[in-house]
Amino acid sequence: AQSVTQLGSHVSVSEGALVLLRCNYSSSVPPYLFWYVQYPNQGLQLLLKYTSAATLVKGINGFEAEFKKSETSFHLTKPSAHMSDAAEYFCAVSDRSGGSNYKLTFGKGTLLTVNP
Amino acid sequence: DTEVTQTPKHLVMGMTNKKSLKCEQHMGHRAMYWYKQKAKKPPELMFVYSYEKLSINESVPSRFSPECPNSSLLNLHLHALQPEDSALYLCASSGEQGVGYFGPGTRLLVL
Repeated sequence: AQSVTQLGSHVSVSEGALVLLRCNYSSSVPPYLFWYVQYPNQGLQLLLKYTSAATLVKGINGFEAEFKKSETSFHLTKPSAHMSDAAEYFCAVSDRSGGSNYKLTFGKGTLLTVNP
Repeated sequence: DTEVTQTPKHLVMGMTNKKSLKCEQHMGHRAMYWYKQKAKKPPELMFVYSYEKLSINESVPSRFSPECPNSSLLNLHLHALQPEDSALYLCASSGEQGVGYFGPGTRLLVL
């Protein structure tokens, strides 16, 4: 079974500082990996995805993530935090269940707060 | 268009009521999902429909009844819910390589 572990349930940074949210995965086959963001009282928005093409993936809102097979990691970064980045972030791995089904398994989430 | 829509946005119901949640996507995705999300927790998978057929039921109580009338629509029928069923219910659809597109959710409160 595939799984993801997000290190740190809460990360706090200052505005303009580097954002680093950590995600490690466990998978017996090459995984599909995703980062989602959830703002309060909203659904999940896809930030970026890794689907076995380039290992450095660029997403929306200035975020990027690097797939490192040797470290089984897919950490999310942003060079300079903005107040609007404050939200819950979920790392997820996709398990192809069969046919066109893809079962997403989520990490527990990391709450990012940005201080002025 | 990568939009999944859900109605209603909010729903309050008593334990004897019957209500339905609705979800729609027009991305041509053939897999659609219902997730349940409690506060400060990740989404938990409830049901998966593939080509309008139920393919995964994650041991969800029968008071939740999914329905997929066609490839664009997904419903979740609710009956005799319990207060602990109060949560955010998210609909999603997936295209290639498991990319899940989520709707905004329905926030359900069971009194």
